[in-house]
This record gives sequence, C-alpha cells and structure tokens, in this order.
Amino acid sequence: GESVGLHLPTLSVQEGDNSIINCAYSNSASDYFIWYKQESGKGPQFIIDIRSNMDKRQGQRVTVLLNKTVKHLSLQIAATQPGDSAVYFCAENDSGGSNYKLTFGKGTLLTVNP
Amino acid sequence: GAVVSQHPSRVICKSGTSVKIECRSLDFQATTMFWYRQFPKQSLMLMATSNEGSKATYEQGVEKDKFLINHASLTLSTLTVTSAHPEDSSFYICSATTGASGGLYNEQFFGPGTRLTVL
Repeated sequence: GESVGLHLPTLSVQEGDNSIINCAYSNSASDYFIWYKQESGKGPQFIIDIRSNMDKRQGQRVTVLLNKTVKHLSLQIAATQPGDSAVYFCAENDSGGSNYKLTFGKGTLLTVNP
Repeated sequence: GAVVSQHPSRVICKSGTSVKIECRSLDFQATTMFWYRQFPKQSLMLMATSNEGSKATYEQGVEKDKFLINHASLTLSTLTVTSAHPEDSSFYICSATTGASGGLYNEQFFGPGTRLTVL
C-alpha cells in the first residue's frame, strides 16, 4: 500500500538554529497533512497542518511547506530550543477515502544541543 | 479542551492473560476513536477504527479476536488484548474525533498512550 516516509531518521541541531524536517508521501490523493511532535513515552501532539490547496502555512516558530509536484512536505522550526527535542511525524489523510484515517510517516528524531 | 485520557498508563502482565485499556474523551463526545500500536523507534500503526454503537473496523493484519474493541458510549472505547504474549508488548495509543462533517477532516486528539509489557 501507499505510505508516507521520511528522508532523515535523525537530526541534530544547535540551540538557536533553524531545523528542517522532511517528509515524502506517495499517495497522490492525499489532501491534508499534519505534523505531530511526540516526546518520549507520550502521545503525539499536534503542531501544524496544511491542506493541499496551500503551499505554505505558518504558525508560532513553525512553518509547513507542501510541494505537491514532488509530493514533499517539510516542517521548519525557527530558533530551535531544547524543548523541541522529540520525534516528529508527518501524517497524511485522503478525505476522498476515509475522512478519518491518518497514515503516519516513519518519524525523525530531533535532538537540540545546548 | 479536547482532552483524551488513557488508563492505565503502564501495565505489566503475564503471558496468556488479558489486558483491558480504556480510552476516554474528557470534554467532548467522540463519534469515532482510533487505536494505534507503536513499537520502539517506529511509527504509529493504525490497528482499528471504532465507531460508537457499531463494530470496529480492523486494519489488514490485525486480529479482531485478539484485540477486542468496544465503543459503548460517546466518551469511552476499550481495547482488550486477549491471551497476551511477549510480542504484544508495545505502546498503545488511542485518538478520538468528533465525527464526520461533509467530508472534511476532523482533527484527531491523541491520548497519552499505554505501555504494555507482557512477561
């Protein structure tokens, strides 16, 4: 079946730097994408989402970019802080199929060095 | 708002026993709840979709007789791992959504997870 994957399993950055986490998806019918943050031993925490009719969406210190041509999604974190250390997952939804189901990517472990 | 709880947070059981995990939506009614399983250093894998008052829909490869799901009310879904074995040891996470709305995606609110260890 189709799946969502990630280019980088780990990312280590210095505190204050910007972080970029990438995600490649394969289901061309996906029209809604979400980034989640998961700290060790906890459930996923919603960060930001984007619909397929948008290329970019900004939140507080985070930006999501969507390139539908190459089916690529990225999460940019500005001024990364130690509290940002976690595993980040992208997830996709095809509302034309089941409008509930999410497919998660493999995850990227972000480590922020003080 | 939109808080989802799970109980217990951790459970250790002997092989062959059954374990029940509860998922509750604390401040909203959840028409649909989802159960995920996450092995160490891996992603979340959807096990089943649970709709209040109806039978759960299981993903391919998930044994419905082993993972019993009951969604008896709009605020509670339970997952029972029957005859648990060490390979069932995992992190089980539930999520809840308020339900369908014209085909638009409804945000899933995730619980904190339950760590199951089968000895």
